[in-house]
Amino acid sequence: AQTVTQSQPEMSVQEAETVTLSCTYDTSESDYYLFWYKQPPSRQMILVIRQEAYKQQNATENRFSVNFQKAAKSFSLKISDSQLGDAAMYFCAFADRGSTLGRLYFGRGTQLTVWP
Amino acid sequence: DVKVTQSSRYLVKRTGEKVFLECVQDMDHENMFWYRQDPGLGLRLIYFSYDVKMKEKGDIPEGYSVSREKKERFSLILESASTNQTSMYLCASSFGTGFYNSPLHFGNGTRLTVT
Repeated sequence: AQTVTQSQPEMSVQEAETVTLSCTYDTSESDYYLFWYKQPPSRQMILVIRQEAYKQQNATENRFSVNFQKAAKSFSLKISDSQLGDAAMYFCAFADRGSTLGRLYFGRGTQLTVWP
Repeated sequence: DVKVTQSSRYLVKRTGEKVFLECVQDMDHENMFWYRQDPGLGLRLIYFSYDVKMKEKGDIPEGYSVSREKKERFSLILESASTNQTSMYLCASSFGTGFYNSPLHFGNGTRLTVT
């Protein structure tokens, strides 16, 4: 079974600063996807960013970027120029590309607080 | 935009009741999922379905069943609700078997309280 570990239950950052959320995973698969989802107080899960394991280049989406270390099985999310609207629960997730139908394995989440 | 709609945002039920949580998606997605979200535990997969009338157990199926009679609708059933099923329930859907272009789309969740 795949496992996803988020070791930081809570993080906080000052507005306009940078914060990094950690995620590690355990798998024997070689081809997979990794994701970061954001869940604001509205409860709507929003896909922030995704990374294909076969791609060397780290994914970026505007202020959000990842540091993907395949050998170390690490997948951290960096949020630059943090904004109040970034405050949310962040979930790291894993999907085996060869497995069933888009099933995701989630970490336990990191609650991010953004201070003005 | 894909819309995944869960019929209730909040639900309060009594122990022993049969409870139905409904989820409808409007994008003709093949795959549908029910997750349970608890503080400190993240999201755990209860059941999923990849086609009408098909279902697969997830990681925590005990105490739950599902029904998918139509492609757009996926129901989660608590046959006899218990207090340990008090939780947030999230429905999600995705397109086909190719994952790259089809991330999960989630509903807004149903917060179920069993008293």
